[in-house]
Amino acid sequence: KQEVTQIPAALSVPEGENLVLNCSFTDSAIYNLQWFRQDPGKGLTSLLLIQSSQREQTSGRLNASLDKSSGRSTLYIAASQPGDSATYLCAARDSNYQLIWGAGTKLIIKP
Amino acid sequence: SAVISQKPSRDICQRGTSLTIQCQVDSQVTMMFWYRQQPGQSLTLIATANQGSEATYESGFVIDKFPISRPNLTFSTLTVSNMSPEDSSIYLCSAFSNTEAFFGQGTRLTVV
Repeated sequence: KQEVTQIPAALSVPEGENLVLNCSFTDSAIYNLQWFRQDPGKGLTSLLLIQSSQREQTSGRLNASLDKSSGRSTLYIAASQPGDSATYLCAARDSNYQLIWGAGTKLIIKP
Repeated sequence: SAVISQKPSRDICQRGTSLTIQCQVDSQVTMMFWYRQQPGQSLTLIATANQGSEATYESGFVIDKFPISRPNLTFSTLTVSNMSPEDSSIYLCSAFSNTEAFFGQGTRLTVV
C-alpha cells in the first residue's frame, strides 16, 4: 500500500532564503507526482506535475524533482517571499489513478 | 488546465440540517472527486462521481450521509446530510485534466 510522507511538518525561514521541501513515497510504481499549495481555509492550487518518466519540472522560482528509485521528490523554492507562506502538499498518483496524499509542510516566510 | 468553480465558499449551519455544495468544471471530465479535509489534517477522499452511474464511496463514507449527484460531464453536487459538529471541515471537489489534478476553491463548513 502506497504511503506518502512529507518532512518537515513545519518550516519557518527568513525572507530571501532558498529552501527544500521533501516528499517520500513507499511504492515506486507511481503514475505521476504533483505538488500543491494550500492557503488557510482555501482550496488547492496545483504547482507542478512530474510524470513518472520525468526527473524534474520548473515553474518560475519553483523546481520539483522526482527520483522514483529512491522514492523521493523535492520542491525547491528559490529566493523565498512572505507570499510563499502556505501549506505545501504532495500527492502521488498510483496505478489505480488514486491520489495518495502527504500530510503537508506548513511554510512560514518571515519578512 | 481546468478551472473548477465551487460554491458556497463557506457556510455556518445548524446541526441536523443539510448543505449542498456545487462544483462546475469549465470542460468535460470523466470523473470528479469529493474530498474532506478536517482541521489540521490532509485530504480524505469521500467518493468518486461518474456521470450516469452511482458514486463510488470510500470506506467510512455512505450515500445516506453524503449523497452525490453527477447529472452531466461538467457538474456535480455533494450534500452533507443531518449535520453534526463533527462534519465541520473543508470540502473540496477535484477533477483531472490531462493527468493533472485540479481543485475547486473549497467549502469551509462550520456546524453549530
